[in-house]
Amino acid sequence: EADIYQTPRYLVIGTGKKITLECSQTMGHDKMYWYQQDPGMELHLIHYSYGVNSTEKGDLSSESTVSRIRTEHFPLTLESARPSHTSQYLCASRARGSQETQYFGPGTRLLVL
Amino acid sequence: GQNIDQPTEMTATEGAIVQINCTYQTSGFNGLFWYQQHAGEAPTFLSYNVLDGLEEKGRFSSFLSRSKGYSYLLLKELQMKDSASYLCAVGKGSNYQLIWGAGTKLIIKP
Repeated sequence: EADIYQTPRYLVIGTGKKITLECSQTMGHDKMYWYQQDPGMELHLIHYSYGVNSTEKGDLSSESTVSRIRTEHFPLTLESARPSHTSQYLCASRARGSQETQYFGPGTRLLVL
Repeated sequence: GQNIDQPTEMTATEGAIVQINCTYQTSGFNGLFWYQQHAGEAPTFLSYNVLDGLEEKGRFSSFLSRSKGYSYLLLKELQMKDSASYLCAVGKGSNYQLIWGAGTKLIIKP
């Protein structure tokens, strides 16, 4: 069983607010990922990290930023939320090794009014 | 470019067998994953194939043909709880990033 946590699970917020979505894992995984997924659609990679102080942008352009100061923690920040940011945000982590799968957190459902 | 195709939706009967296909085109292929995702929940890992052939795990089996860019997930003895979306994802590159299909929504009828 994977131990990866996301908070908050649900968030309703007004346009222009700054928000941080939290993601933590207790498995010591080096690799962590943030995905955005709209209902019935595929997952889109928005950020990833291969270790402390390593962050990269994913395939989907995003106005969010991430940081990786500690192995277990990979927060995602939106400086100014907009209605177009309404979506589900999924955090995942993965151990080293080609056959290691990604484990997902429960997700954060964000609604920007 | 890279592309993953799988059917949008399938319907099957409880107790039956269903096969969900996935075709892909990608460079730097290093494995194919199947995940299950119930509505409103996060994806959970089902299977991984890196070599050609069939991998069996209980009621679920997954097949891969690298030369054809083709995989399928076979679900036997279907149960109502198997109603979910099934996501095909291809690992690529030296960092094993995953490229995701849009998922196949499987509806199980009594």
